[in-house]
Amino acid sequence: NAGVTQTPKFQVLKTGQSMTLQCAQDMNHNSMYWYRQDPGMGLRLIYYSASEGTTDKGEVPNGYNVSRLNKREFSLRLESAAPSQTSVYFCASSQMERSGNTIYFGEGSWLTVV
Amino acid sequence: QKEVEQNSGPLSVPEGAIASLNCTYSDRGSQSFFWYRQYSGKSPELIMFIYSNGDKEDGRFTAQLNKASQYVSLLIRDSQPSDSATYLCAVEVYGQNFVFGPGTRLSVLP
Repeated sequence: NAGVTQTPKFQVLKTGQSMTLQCAQDMNHNSMYWYRQDPGMGLRLIYYSASEGTTDKGEVPNGYNVSRLNKREFSLRLESAAPSQTSVYFCASSQMERSGNTIYFGEGSWLTVV
Repeated sequence: QKEVEQNSGPLSVPEGAIASLNCTYSDRGSQSFFWYRQYSGKSPELIMFIYSNGDKEDGRFTAQLNKASQYVSLLIRDSQPSDSATYLCAVEVYGQNFVFGPGTRLSVLP
């Protein structure tokens, strides 16, 4: 059982380049998330999707766009990368029920913008 | 702004001791509380969750929740060097999202 799979694992971009981080989950979860993690800042929510066809901004959405392609897949796009977007990106999913929720993470994508 | 606060550490304990990790949260609507462990260079993995006031035990781990004080803690008994990691506290407000604290770095000294 793969859980949450995200690609690529490592990427170096030049300032101004664009790229898309891909994420897929095989747990039939309704909700999916993109977080970034920076030293001393913890996990900060970029965007989330509570269900197929919906997306909402999180705490730090500027400079990013997302697409919930179907129930399994949730992609994150950087249209014009900036050095401030150098970070570790985690995709996650959860069922978002009244009880028994747990959020599961992918292995992370290390992005460096030079 | 919903906030989750933790001491950043590092918290150092000797092997075999009890490690106590603390977390406070600002939103009284928070309903579910989670502790994640994150090793360096890895993704967070769930250790425990707790929904009700009181204690919940799972092996060497005990989560404690006090909603009146907006406080949740994690105790690790018989700490091992393999427990050395960053521990993230997370809270969930139903219908909204998970909010994570900045994490506490734990170092268990052999």
